[in-house]
Amino acid sequence: AQTVTQSQPEMSVQEAETVTLSCTYDTSESNYYLFWYKQPPSRQMILVIRQEAYKQQNATENRFSVNFQKAAKSFSLKISDSQLGDTAMYFCAFPPGNTGKLIFGQGTTLQVKP
Amino acid sequence: EPEVTQTPSHQVTQMGQEVILRCVPISNHLYFYWYRQILGQKVEFLVSFYNNEISEKSEIFDDQFSVERPDGSNFTLKIRSTKLEDSAMYFCASSGGSRTDTQYFGPGTRLTVL
Repeated sequence: AQTVTQSQPEMSVQEAETVTLSCTYDTSESNYYLFWYKQPPSRQMILVIRQEAYKQQNATENRFSVNFQKAAKSFSLKISDSQLGDTAMYFCAFPPGNTGKLIFGQGTTLQVKP
Repeated sequence: EPEVTQTPSHQVTQMGQEVILRCVPISNHLYFYWYRQILGQKVEFLVSFYNNEISEKSEIFDDQFSVERPDGSNFTLKIRSTKLEDSAMYFCASSGGSRTDTQYFGPGTRLTVL
């Protein structure tokens, strides 16, 4: 079965510092893509970043970047210069078979402290 | 910027009643999805919809559930006879012209079954 695992249920970071959230997944596919979504207390699901598996370069969106290790099936999210507004639950997600159906990890709750 | 909208934001119903959750996907999107998130748990796929028919459904999506695109803009999820365990946040999502396009989520409908 294809799975997504986030092993850190909770993390905290001081404002302005850097934090890395981990995600591993299991698949036998070679071409796929991965996502990080953010869910603030409002519970809205907001896209943070997308990574294509065929791309060597790690995706970056402003303060958010990924460390994609295809061989290790690892897809971690790095948040630089953390801000109070980054406080949220973060979900890693993967669509097996490129069907569109997203499988989500269990989520990591991130608390940014002033 | 176009966004997915959902109504109502919160629905309270009695066990055994029928509910209809409504979504307006982004206007030029072709793929539509419903997901569910029980409080404190991960997001789970329910169903995907394309070209006026269900593309894929999960084990959760049993005969009590149905989806419909009654006109060119709305996408609905109906639960015929609600159970206590249907209490959850329900998210609608849409993506563009391909299954591999990024999914954008609505703000969710919180369903409470009493």
